[in-house]
Amino acid sequence: SAVISQKPSRDICQRGTSLTIQCQVDSQVTMMFWYRQQPGQSLTLIATANQGSEATYESGFVIDKFPISRPNLTFSTLTVSNMSPEDSSIYLCSVELGRDYEQYFGPGTRLTVT
Amino acid sequence: GENVEQHPSTLSVQEGDSAVIKCTYSDSASNYFPWYKQELGKRPQLIIDIRSNVGEKKDQRIAVTLNKTAKHFSLHITETQPEDSAVYFCATSEPKTSYDKVIFGPGTSLSVIP
Repeated sequence: SAVISQKPSRDICQRGTSLTIQCQVDSQVTMMFWYRQQPGQSLTLIATANQGSEATYESGFVIDKFPISRPNLTFSTLTVSNMSPEDSSIYLCSVELGRDYEQYFGPGTRLTVT
Repeated sequence: GENVEQHPSTLSVQEGDSAVIKCTYSDSASNYFPWYKQELGKRPQLIIDIRSNVGEKKDQRIAVTLNKTAKHFSLHITETQPEDSAVYFCATSEPKTSYDKVIFGPGTSLSVIP
């Protein structure tokens, strides 16, 4: 297993501003994923980040709104840009680990936009 | 794309009884079926998974069965305990070139009554 951490754990932001969420893993991983979990809902994949290449975004998510960086094999950031109250959610990173590339999640960042 | 359905959405059982959660999927190419448990305010935790070359897998009180022909799989929890109370998400994988894209079901809220 690995230790996956996220910063910040929670934040309250004003609409129109941006927040950058960090995800750190204590071992090198090829693929990192960013999910959104709205209150009481399931997990929705935002994008997949492979080190050294552009992130791959899912339908309904665009790079201008959710820019992602993946500078090395242990770190990634997700920025939520020009926030609105509809962006209030939990944002989780996950990584593929293990012989069978199972996905494990970070603790999440709880974002509230006022 | 893949569509994952999960039933029931809520489930209440007496401590010691069994709980069964069922999921169906649409993409016959899916070959990986993980189950996650998410306690309130916590990250989703991988509790068991199964790949398409296996029909059943068991780990202590939890088991998963897979019927690829019918495109459904189930989670079985025996001798339930209050600490089993959580939201359970089934998921399937949509194979991509270099990684598996995991699609989550809507979740089942399980309550175990002492």
